[in-house]
Amino acid sequence: GDSVTQMEGPVTLSEEAFLTINCTYTATGYPSLFWYVQYPGEGLQLLLKATKADDKGSNKGFEATYRKETTSFHLEKGSVQVSDSAVYFCAQRLGYSSASKIIFGSGTRLSIRP
Amino acid sequence: DAGVIQSPRHEVTEMGQEVTLRCKPISGHDYLFWYRQTMMRGLELLIYFNNNVPIDDSGMPEDRFSAKMPNASFSTLKIQPSEPRDSAVYFCASSPQSLGNTEAFFGQGTRLTVV
Repeated sequence: GDSVTQMEGPVTLSEEAFLTINCTYTATGYPSLFWYVQYPGEGLQLLLKATKADDKGSNKGFEATYRKETTSFHLEKGSVQVSDSAVYFCAQRLGYSSASKIIFGSGTRLSIRP
Repeated sequence: DAGVIQSPRHEVTEMGQEVTLRCKPISGHDYLFWYRQTMMRGLELLIYFNNNVPIDDSGMPEDRFSAKMPNASFSTLKIQPSEPRDSAVYFCASSPQSLGNTEAFFGQGTRLTVV
């Protein structure tokens, strides 16, 4: 069935380090792909998205490219900050009718050391 | 728009009691989702609605859980009777009618503790 798999956390990095969080998906069609971020005590909020193959989503220095050939949507940031500490969720959505649910990965907790 | 509004933000109840969680989606959104988040199981989709009609409730854990959407601006998730293992954060999210490429907007969540 349709699913999203992302790398297990927690991930701990020093400030200004390079970040990669891996995400792969399985889908019966061509989903839209998303990265959400959850800060402590809050709901999920959209970080970036891509709707078709080779699209690159970007926001706040984060980027992810929709790779159909590898069914991946890895999240990257060149230089992380302490304020990036949060839980990151990869998600997919297929939808051609009323049946359009969003499937989330398990989340990756990121901690940034000053 | 104020975003998705959930109430209460925190709920503490005794085992066996009925619990009702409430959600007001963003005006004009056609989809409404209920998720449950725990450390052990992560983020689970419980049920979702399209135009107030339940589309998929396969994630509802058991008959103690029920959800309704009587109109486009209100939904409830009810647990009766509640059990300690129901303790979690429950999120409501909404999104516009989609061809598959629009994101969901989440509420702040309701933290439920059943003692």
